[in-house]
Amino acid sequence: GIQVEQSPPDLILQEGANSTLRCNFSDSVNNLQWFHQNPWGQLINLFYIPSGTKQNGRLSATTVATERYSLLYISSSQTTDSGVYFCAVSLTGTASKLTFGTGTRLQVTL
Amino acid sequence: NAGVTQTPKFRILKIGQSMTLQCTQDMNHNYMYWYRQDPGMGLKLIYYSVGAGITDKGEVPNGYNVSRSTTEDFPLRLELAAPSQTSVYFCASSYPGASTDTQYFGPGTRLTVL
Repeated sequence: GIQVEQSPPDLILQEGANSTLRCNFSDSVNNLQWFHQNPWGQLINLFYIPSGTKQNGRLSATTVATERYSLLYISSSQTTDSGVYFCAVSLTGTASKLTFGTGTRLQVTL
Repeated sequence: NAGVTQTPKFRILKIGQSMTLQCTQDMNHNYMYWYRQDPGMGLKLIYYSVGAGITDKGEVPNGYNVSRSTTEDFPLRLELAAPSQTSVYFCASSYPGASTDTQYFGPGTRLTVL
């Protein structure tokens, strides 16, 4: 099956700092999503981004499908950004069955 | 819209017991999914459905069963619970389209098997 690797596994930032999270995947995909799992366990979809670049407030994401990676940028981080960030992908023709990476755990401190 | 709702929020089972995890969505999504998340790990797909009456196995289906009699509901049945099924279970739904295929997740059910 498809492999999804995320880096770094853990990240500690001071409030106001910027960060870049990376997701590498082993095959061509037609679906890539970034999720934030907050400390209470809720999964929130951040981006649906199989290719190209999107921005939503302080967050932006870029997927380079031909090189099989995606980046999530967090600018001016806040304590509410803490949690685990997951990248998930699915292959063409697979009913959007997502394969998740193991996540990047982010802690933003004051 | 309530989105995706799951019940119960927490449950403790004894080995060998059975239970059904409920999942309902009110967004008229045709695709629904069940995932499990073990501590410190990403989510793994258990079963999925592309519409009422249609279900199929995911990556880790052993020990589980599903049914999809309506668009809204997608219950997950655990038969003969085992400690290896201790996990957090998430239900999700989506409506794949030309420009989006976002999956929306429920709040999860935390299950412990003792």
